[in-house]
Amino acid sequence: AQSVTQLGSHVSVSEGALVLLRCNYSSSVPPYLFWYVQYPNQGLQLLLKYTSAATLVKGINGFEAEFKKSETSFHLTKPSAHMSDAAEYFCAAPIIQGAQKLVFGQGTRLTINP
Amino acid sequence: ETGVTQSPTHLIKTRGQQVTLRCSSQSGHNTVSWYQQALGQGPQFIFQYYREEENGRGNFPPRFSGLQFPNYSSELNVNALELDDSALYLCASSPGAELSYNEQFFGPGTRLTVL
Repeated sequence: AQSVTQLGSHVSVSEGALVLLRCNYSSSVPPYLFWYVQYPNQGLQLLLKYTSAATLVKGINGFEAEFKKSETSFHLTKPSAHMSDAAEYFCAAPIIQGAQKLVFGQGTRLTINP
Repeated sequence: ETGVTQSPTHLIKTRGQQVTLRCSSQSGHNTVSWYQQALGQGPQFIFQYYREEENGRGNFPPRFSGLQFPNYSSELNVNALELDDSALYLCASSPGAELSYNEQFFGPGTRLTVL
């Protein structure tokens, strides 16, 4: 079973609009979740992480995510999109299969319209 | 502080050939993980090295192998290349193998094309 699932492979919003990228996790996932961003031709950069301390997590570049156990969700939001937010976003969770490894969702490509 | 670096940036090989990709971990990090990212997909875990020992492996065949050196840099070797091996190969280093509290820092990747 997929550990993390991202709903919507492509999201398009206007500059200044709310950004909402969806991630759901399976109940087998430990209570640690991550959002990464990947700009074109670059590696992944950690945006934010949930580690059980607080359900609302604030990250870099104005992004935040809320861990909702009842919905098994960890959606990423930003109140006002900026052109520089255009990138690929990945939700990930660490699972143990031998080593502790990161399992990534399929990714959501965010496009910002001027 | 130097981040994670990978070489080469791009590589073109033909089916059946062998390739070696290199990764220099961030200073102070003893753990290196390798991921394969096919076009339009999320990264898939290949294996992890912790203090020069393989510390776990994903669903990749034995022709994918690796090494970690005493300075914690690492190599990924792929033998008998197949067309499906075409992908971006990402290296990530962390200060420990426990990923719930050790952040992984990713390199820019090596783009491998197999013709």
